[in-house]
Amino acid sequence: GENVEQHPSTLSVQEGDSAVIKCTYSDSASNYFPWYKQELGKGPQLIIDIRSNVGEKKDQRIAVTLNKTAKHFSLHITETQPEDSAVYFCAASSNAGGTSYGKLTFGQGTILTVHP
Amino acid sequence: KAGVTQTPRYLIKTRGQQVTLSCSPISGHRSVSWYQQTPGQGLQFLFEYFSETQRNKGNFPGRFSGRQFSNSRSEMNVSTLELGDSALYLCASSLAASRPGDTQYFGPGTRLTVL
Repeated sequence: GENVEQHPSTLSVQEGDSAVIKCTYSDSASNYFPWYKQELGKGPQLIIDIRSNVGEKKDQRIAVTLNKTAKHFSLHITETQPEDSAVYFCAASSNAGGTSYGKLTFGQGTILTVHP
Repeated sequence: KAGVTQTPRYLIKTRGQQVTLSCSPISGHRSVSWYQQTPGQGLQFLFEYFSETQRNKGNFPGRFSGRQFSNSRSEMNVSTLELGDSALYLCASSLAASRPGDTQYFGPGTRLTVL
C-alpha cells in the first residue's frame, strides 16, 4: 500500500521567515495530495491541495509543488506569522480503484513553531 | 454552510465496554471517512461509507465497525474496548466521491479515553 514520509518532524522559524515541509510517497498511482493544518483540540483543516496534472499551486502565502517523477511534494509558507504555528500533515490518495475510495494516507506530521 | 459535526466530543469508557460515535457530514456530502489519530501511529484510515455502503476498509480489527444512514450521517462502533483504543476519532466528508481523491473536510473529532 501507499506510504508517505514527511520531514522535518519539527520546524522552528522566526516570524517573517519562510517554512518548507517535504513529503515523499511510494505509490505511483497516487494523484491527489492535500495538506492539512491541525491546531490543538481541533480537527485537521485543509489549507491547500494539488492534483497530479499540476506542478505547482499557490494561495496567498502558501504554495505546494509536486514532482511526480521523484514522487515528492512540498509545502512552502512565506512570511510566516505566529498564528501559522500548528501541526501540518501531508497526505496522498491513489486512483487505483476500490481500495482507494475515501482513503487518505498521511505523513507523520510537522510541528511548526513561529517565534515572534 | 455548517461544517462536519461529531458527537460526543469527549468520552471516557472502561475496558470491555463498547462505544458509538456519530458524525454528520456537510450538507450535500455523501461520503464519510473515519480515521483514528494517536501520537504513536498518527492518522490512520478506518473505513469509508457512501450511499449507506462500506466501500473501503483500513487495517483494523473487526471490533471496529460503522454504518451510514440514508441522510448520510454515519456512526462508528468499537466493541470490547482496549486501552490501545484511546485516541482521537475523526470523520471527514466529501462531496461527490465518484472518484478517489475527492477533497475531504474533517470534523473536530471525538476524544475517546479507555480506562
